[in-house]
Amino acid sequence: GAGVSQSPSNKVTEKGKDVELRCDPISGHTALYWYRQRLGQGLEFLIYFQGNSAPDKSGLPSDRFSAERTGESVSTLTIQRTQQEDSAVYLCASSLRSPSGRFSSYNEQFFGPGTRLTVL
Amino acid sequence: AQSVAQPEDQVNVAEGNPLTVKCTYSVSGNPYLFWYVQYPNRGLQFLLKYITGDNLVKGSYGFEAEFNKSQTSFHLKKPSALVSDSALYFCAVRGRSARQLTFGSGTQLTVLP
Repeated sequence: GAGVSQSPSNKVTEKGKDVELRCDPISGHTALYWYRQRLGQGLEFLIYFQGNSAPDKSGLPSDRFSAERTGESVSTLTIQRTQQEDSAVYLCASSLRSPSGRFSSYNEQFFGPGTRLTVL
Repeated sequence: AQSVAQPEDQVNVAEGNPLTVKCTYSVSGNPYLFWYVQYPNRGLQFLLKYITGDNLVKGSYGFEAEFNKSQTSFHLKKPSALVSDSALYFCAVRGRSARQLTFGSGTQLTVLP
């Protein structure tokens, strides 16, 4: 059983360039999350997809950041006009959808290995 | 708004000794609580979670955590630490109506041989 995969594992880019990061969730996981982890810091929520519902984009730091997901499969995170402060590890996670009702949102997230982005 | 505090950036413990990694949280209503571990150059791995029921939760690799509602804490514990437990540990909380999981800043655990 494959876990969450992310590509590329490392990306070095020049300031001002656009980058695209990819995430392949675990098959059957309807929820998908993107996080950013700066060096020595915790995880910063970016965006959340749940099935065909409108994504929760409340964590995106600026309009240079966007993400797409086709159905319940692959997601791409795009950063336009990259800045040096965008340098970080970008983590993707997926989880099963919890059944509706009292105990919603309790399923653990499974994380990919991350993409280390370095903006020169 | 929900939040998590991990008051210790670094915890050192001798191999064979008990370990505790502290976590306190703030959330509206009852929480879902999680612990994750991150080994060097690897993604986060799920350790354990509290949903409801028994306050003492047992997880992977001999770890356990105790949910204390009055103190709003969810400390991670292990009776006897191993050198291989050395890693970065994250506590996370999610309110029952929240869509997001909020992570703490992490605690670096070092087990000394």
